[in-house]
Amino acid sequence: DTAVSQTPKYLVTQMGNDKSIKCEQNLGHDTMYWYKQDSKKFLKIMFSYNNKELIINETVPNRFSPKSPDKAHLNLHINSLELGDSAVYFCASSQDPVRNQPQHFGDGTRLSIL
Amino acid sequence: GDSVTQMEGPVTLSEEAFLTINCTYTATGYPSLFWYVQYPGEGLQLLLKATKADDKGSNKGFEATYRKETTSFHLEKGSVQVSDSAVYFCALITGGGNKLTFGTGTQLKVEL
Repeated sequence: DTAVSQTPKYLVTQMGNDKSIKCEQNLGHDTMYWYKQDSKKFLKIMFSYNNKELIINETVPNRFSPKSPDKAHLNLHINSLELGDSAVYFCASSQDPVRNQPQHFGDGTRLSIL
Repeated sequence: GDSVTQMEGPVTLSEEAFLTINCTYTATGYPSLFWYVQYPGEGLQLLLKATKADDKGSNKGFEATYRKETTSFHLEKGSVQVSDSAVYFCALITGGGNKLTFGTGTQLKVEL
């Protein structure tokens, strides 16, 4: 069974559109994250939620809006897509970040803006 | 702020060669250190971790030792295989934090 699953795996869309990426984890973890990986493979955290509450927002444009309906899901909605949003977006989860537990990653969503 | 510095790639080795990927860090407090691996077209997988000074993490023949005196966590493997070709990321989390800080990644290519 997939521990952290993201959909869709690939997303190709036009500039200016609005799109969503969904993430679900079945590990029973309390904390979930979104990361962006650019074309040079550099990974940077975007958001972190703990029990449905936002705890990290790393100066991401407000076109990006995460939503956590419950602690097993963290979705990412992006408005007015721009060329620079092309990247791979990874969802992750962890059990207890206070104890520095490792994060478990999904397989990524490859977003391409035309 | 926290940061992780990795050696730049790509690193190209012949099968059965010895691998070292250097990683150094700066952090407040006492971080936990991780190596993640990303195979082509896949997400990141935890390879190994160490949570305190002098701990050695190991998995699948890879090892890394948490060296507080040199703030390093170098990844080593005695004999690499073609299947080890991937991008390797060094990362840290500081105590009580949620934010995993990554290095820039090092691409490893292993050839026959």
